[in-house]
Amino acid sequence: EVQLVESGGGLVQPGGSLRLSCAASGFTFSNYAMTWVRQAPGKGLEWVSTISSNAESTHYADSVKGRFTISRDNSRNTVSLQMNSLRAEDRAVYYCAKLSPVILGPFDYWGQGTPVTVSS
Amino acid sequence: DIQMTQSPSSLSASVGDRVTITCRASQDISKYLGWYQQKPGKAPNLLIYDASNLESGVPSRFSGGGSGTDFTLTISSLRPEDIATYFCQQYDDLPLTFGGGTKVEIK
Repeated sequence: EVQLVESGGGLVQPGGSLRLSCAASGFTFSNYAMTWVRQAPGKGLEWVSTISSNAESTHYADSVKGRFTISRDNSRNTVSLQMNSLRAEDRAVYYCAKLSPVILGPFDYWGQGTPVTVSS
Repeated sequence: DIQMTQSPSSLSASVGDRVTITCRASQDISKYLGWYQQKPGKAPNLLIYDASNLESGVPSRFSGGGSGTDFTLTISSLRPEDIATYFCQQYDDLPLTFGGGTKVEIK
């Protein structure tokens, strides 16, 4: 059974940093691209970042480029999102999701999400 | 960026009704479209991929159609457990983009 479990969310002040992690199990993690998607309170879904299966390519939404960094550890089956210079508008539930073997594809499994609040 | 426009933004229908949601892409995305169902407080769940392929385990009352710029998600006979918000998503190109969502309620 595929499982994705996010952790690391919480309350942070504007300008602060947070590191989200997603632990994956139930599939051959190193074969699949992984992604982060966020959802602000009462809003729709926003793609944040994607990393290829071998970590050689990473991609970001313009809204987070230069502030967020995605990474993965295929030996530990984890994908992470380092979030720096956080802003009030970054407040959202952050989901990690499994992609196809390539970076362009549907998200067939999602974690339960971890909430991030940016407030002083 | 490819813009995805969903309509309607909300709808109310009776149990047993046929429900259709549309999604329009701002440019040709071929078949590279997915549909997701999201129930309150839960993560989204993939229903349809490549515009018309039913994801494993999804009830057959859900179906998808279209190609190019115009797509539909149809629920052939609405059930109470289908109450949710539905999102389309294109994966033809980066940045990956979602439609604004359609909230489905029971009349």
